[in-house]
Amino acid sequence: EAQVTQNPRYLITVTGKKLTVTCSQNMNHEYMSWYRQDPGLGLRQIYYSMNVEVTDKGDVPEGYKVSRKEKRNFPLILESPSPNQTSLYFCASSQSGTSGYEQYFGPGTRLTVT
Amino acid sequence: AQKITQTQPGMFVQEKEAVTLDCTYDTSDQSYGLFWYKQPSSGEMIFLIYQGSYDEQNATEGRYSLNFQKARKSANLVISASQLGDSAMYFCAMRSYNNNDMRFGAGTRLTVKP
Repeated sequence: EAQVTQNPRYLITVTGKKLTVTCSQNMNHEYMSWYRQDPGLGLRQIYYSMNVEVTDKGDVPEGYKVSRKEKRNFPLILESPSPNQTSLYFCASSQSGTSGYEQYFGPGTRLTVT
Repeated sequence: AQKITQTQPGMFVQEKEAVTLDCTYDTSDQSYGLFWYKQPSSGEMIFLIYQGSYDEQNATEGRYSLNFQKARKSANLVISASQLGDSAMYFCAMRSYNNNDMRFGAGTRLTVKP
């Protein structure tokens, strides 16, 4: 089944404790992206990747890191999480970032930072 | 910078009636794509419809159609014959093909009344 998977689905952590949210897709998609969703703000793009070893900042990259060493994986790293990073996070992928291919979204990761 | 505006935080529609969800966008790019996604209460993001900036015809997908008015920079979603299952959050999004980032609006919560 074609899908985007994220782990963990739920995470409660404390300020400053490094964490990684994994994202994996099995569709051989070139483009992958991370978003955060906050009430009243919609989805905001954190980072995106056009292909392996190619990443770019989105709208709200501060406090986040990403890497794309393999085509299928695009982990999101919070080196020192803070309470303002409490949010719902989505990973997404699409065949290409340069045309009208829709993005397939993962199920989301709800992160709480205390 | 690109911006997406959805001016209707919430909308109500009677079952079997049509409803229009508004979306305006701001960009100086000539080449871009417009997307609509549905997010039911379960949280997943579901792709509905796509319109390219150079497409002359309005996109349609089943009961969904996109009323694209390029000069006014609007891309309204029309849902015909509303069903109870259409109750959800709806997001308008735009991808610029110059810089490949993706912007979402704040969303419109649609409630279909029986």
